[in-house]
Amino acid sequence: EDKVVQSPLSLVVHEGDTVTLNCSYEVTNFRSLLWYKQEKKAPTFLFMLTSSGIEKKSGRLSSILDKKELFSILNITATQTGDSAVYLCAVVRTGNQFYFGTGTSLTVIP
Amino acid sequence: EAGVAQSPRYKIIEKRQSVAFWCNPISGHATLYWYQQILGQGPKLLIQFQNNGVVDDSQLPKDRFSAERLKGVDSTLKIQPAKLEDSAVYLCASSLQLLTEAFFGQGTRLTVV
Repeated sequence: EDKVVQSPLSLVVHEGDTVTLNCSYEVTNFRSLLWYKQEKKAPTFLFMLTSSGIEKKSGRLSSILDKKELFSILNITATQTGDSAVYLCAVVRTGNQFYFGTGTSLTVIP
Repeated sequence: EAGVAQSPRYKIIEKRQSVAFWCNPISGHATLYWYQQILGQGPKLLIQFQNNGVVDDSQLPKDRFSAERLKGVDSTLKIQPAKLEDSAVYLCASSLQLLTEAFFGQGTRLTVV
């Protein structure tokens, strides 16, 4: 059975800390892995990863994929209170079918 | 660029009643998805359309849920009759084509009492 597992389930850090969120997967016919940030209702797109070892970076956020070990990490440096959200990992398989993990809830306190 | 539009934003109904949600995807996006997100969980795919055809509806409870995208643009998702466990946020998303990221609407929060 295809599955996407995220860890930790929740995390509380202080402003300025660096966090690493994990996403491991067992999905047949893997095509890509996506990271989303969900603050209220609508997840907003962060990164799409298709190749191993190539880091995607956007400001303080970065992500990398390991297709051999079947996982991805999302790093956030110098966290801010505005980073507080649920971070969702989704794996896309053949046919553009998305499988989401349960998410990591990040709380950044001042 | 306008985003994915969904309505209504909130809906409260009694169990055994019917409800319908509407979604208008981003213009030109061929793929449309409906997800159910129960509190504390990740979104679960209910149905996926490619233009007006169904690609995947394996997780759609077909005894009570139905969805259509007749003209290959906007879509409706219906629940009839609703159960208490249907309380969730229903998210619609669209993507340009296969293998591209999906953009989500704001969702409809359904409460069944």
